[in-house]
Amino acid sequence: GENVEQHPSTLSVQEGDSAVIKCTYSDSASNYFPWYKQELGKGPQLIIDIRSNVGEKKDQRIAVTLNKTAKHFSLHITETQPEDSAVYFCAASRMDSSYKLIFGSGTRLLVRP
Amino acid sequence: SQTIHQWPATLVQPVGSPLSLECTVEGTSNPNLYWYRQAAGRGLQLLFYSVGIGQISSEVPQNLSASRPQDRQFILSSKKLLLSDSGFYLCAWKKGQGETGELFFGEGSRLTVL
Repeated sequence: GENVEQHPSTLSVQEGDSAVIKCTYSDSASNYFPWYKQELGKGPQLIIDIRSNVGEKKDQRIAVTLNKTAKHFSLHITETQPEDSAVYFCAASRMDSSYKLIFGSGTRLLVRP
Repeated sequence: SQTIHQWPATLVQPVGSPLSLECTVEGTSNPNLYWYRQAAGRGLQLLFYSVGIGQISSEVPQNLSASRPQDRQFILSSKKLLLSDSGFYLCAWKKGQGETGELFFGEGSRLTVL
């Protein structure tokens, strides 16, 4: 089955700096790669996703890149703000009828004011 | 609009006691339903998923079970809790058909087994 590795486990940046979180996946048939943000005591929420037919996607201050050959994908947050502080999860899945989203272990991001 | 409800929000149970966590989804039909567990400081582990009434797939062998008695109801159960069952349990749903892969999570149930 799919296995997703995520690094780093914690990341501390100064407000205004960029943050990068990296993930690798094992199942070459996976074709959907979302990123979720989880605030304290709440369920995760989708912030951006990318399909395998696309190499990069951007939405304002966040962007995701995918290297299908190397089975790597990354989340980039620019101009970080204190409200970006949260736990971020990457995930991978095949988009088929038995859709199972497998998550990485999470990255705790702290943006220092 | 669609909503997901999960309860109870917090639960403290002794070792060996039973467990029942309930999740319901409103505003959609035939959703895919999921139970995840998040241990302290760790990632989200997929426990069970269901693509229809009575159809349950188990991802991790353990003393937990899941049932889907109605289209939009998903229940996580245990007959005898272990200390290692402590964690934050999250129910989620996804549209059963269509191109979107987004999972919508409930607010979670925090279980402490003493």
